[in-house]
Amino acid sequence: NAGVTQTPKFQVLKTGQSMTLQCAQDMNHEYMSWYRQDPGMGLRLIHYSVGAGITDQGEVPNGYNVSRSTTEDFPLRLLSAAPSQTSVYFCASRDRGASQETQYFGPGTRLLVL
Amino acid sequence: TQLLEQSPQFLSIQEGENLTVYCNSSSVFSSLQWYRQEPGEGPVLLVTVVTGGEVKKLKRLTFQFGDARKDSSLHITAAQPGDTGLYLCAGDNNAGNMLTFGGGTRLMVKP
Repeated sequence: NAGVTQTPKFQVLKTGQSMTLQCAQDMNHEYMSWYRQDPGMGLRLIHYSVGAGITDQGEVPNGYNVSRSTTEDFPLRLLSAAPSQTSVYFCASRDRGASQETQYFGPGTRLLVL
Repeated sequence: TQLLEQSPQFLSIQEGENLTVYCNSSSVFSSLQWYRQEPGEGPVLLVTVVTGGEVKKLKRLTFQFGDARKDSSLHITAAQPGDTGLYLCAGDNNAGNMLTFGGGTRLMVKP
């Protein structure tokens, strides 16, 4: 199993550009989520999904869109990037019926918006 | 909004010393987790505590959940350079859909 994979590892955008951060998992997990990590603030939940076709907002959803067409993939879209979205983004997955104890994080995508 | 405050934010100690990291909140959590994160990687779960007053040990690491399930501590005995990293606590809301993370404690253990 590859676990949770994220692409790209690094990305530089100009203000106003759009891009999609990819996340995939091969563990057949129903629950997937996106976090951003900023210095001194830990990780903050952006969006999450409890299964294909179902998404919901987390703590900081503004400026981000998600969709969940398959169990494996959970892309995060930035429609018009802003400097405030400079951050490290982590995707995570776990079995829906399981506790947070079985949550796995991807290696992260480091995004710089100029 | 549930908030988790970690202290200290930074800690630099010599190999062999003991240390304690604190995670405090005014909110009650159904469970609390501790993660360790290395540079360039995602967080890796160390332990989950669920019951108020619970103590769990992982080799030289001791985790405690407060009686009221609002706070937690991580104690490391005889720290080693391999313990260096960012330690994060995270509280689970009762619905199980959201984790609230603390700001993290960056630990450096010098040989």
